Amino acid sequence: SYELTQPPSVSVSPGQTARITCSGDALPKQYAYWYQQKPGQAPVLVIYKDSERPSGIPERFSGSSSGTTVTLTISGVQAEDEADYYCQSADSSGTVVFGGGTKLTVL
Amino acid sequence: QVQLQESGPGLVKPSQTLSLTCTVSGGSISSGGYYWSWIRQHPGKGLEWIGYIYYSGSTYYNPSLKSRVTISVDTSKNQFSLKLSSVTAADTAVYYCARGADQVGQFDYWGQGTLVTVSS
Repeated sequence: SYELTQPPSVSVSPGQTARITCSGDALPKQYAYWYQQKPGQAPVLVIYKDSERPSGIPERFSGSSSGTTVTLTISGVQAEDEADYYCQSADSSGTVVFGGGTKLTVL
Repeated sequence: QVQLQESGPGLVKPSQTLSLTCTVSGGSISSGGYYWSWIRQHPGKGLEWIGYIYYSGSTYYNPSLKSRVTISVDTSKNQFSLKLSSVTAADTAVYYCARGADQVGQFDYWGQGTLVTVSS
């Protein structure tokens, strides 16, 4: 079955830039989406269609795509950004797939 | 503001059928354009998509669960439902309902989630 691969963890100091990658063979043909999930809460969409930002999401969140890898970038990380981040896309048949998640730690 | 709320039993016995309902407010399922999904999260683990239903009743399920899943919609009540049959302890998870703005995701509104435990 199709898989999206994310690093288990990323650590960054406040004010620095965090980059979380997600790799998958179908990413050149399928959009990627990113979700932020804080403990005990439902996920929140932070990036859609590779690089679009929903209303209400801070400008420090951005997304990019290159080949089989998409990247979520958080510029000027704040303590409140500490959370789990999941990428999501679909395989060639349209089955929705989530990455394994990345725990962002703000040091 | 669209809101989704899951409801259903928090405890299900092994081999029985898990049944959950998602009530949508602030928007109409029958207006179309959105794909109403169920997503689950095993304790301490990642997210797993179960399937979606469109207002017309058309469905698409995760192949890994397809043989046990049924998603239905009741537009008169603005609700959609999940049935998962023959459950085992491996089905213990937080179950979320969510609105997909795209056929392949873009889940822009989520319910708060409901924990379903499978145990005798």
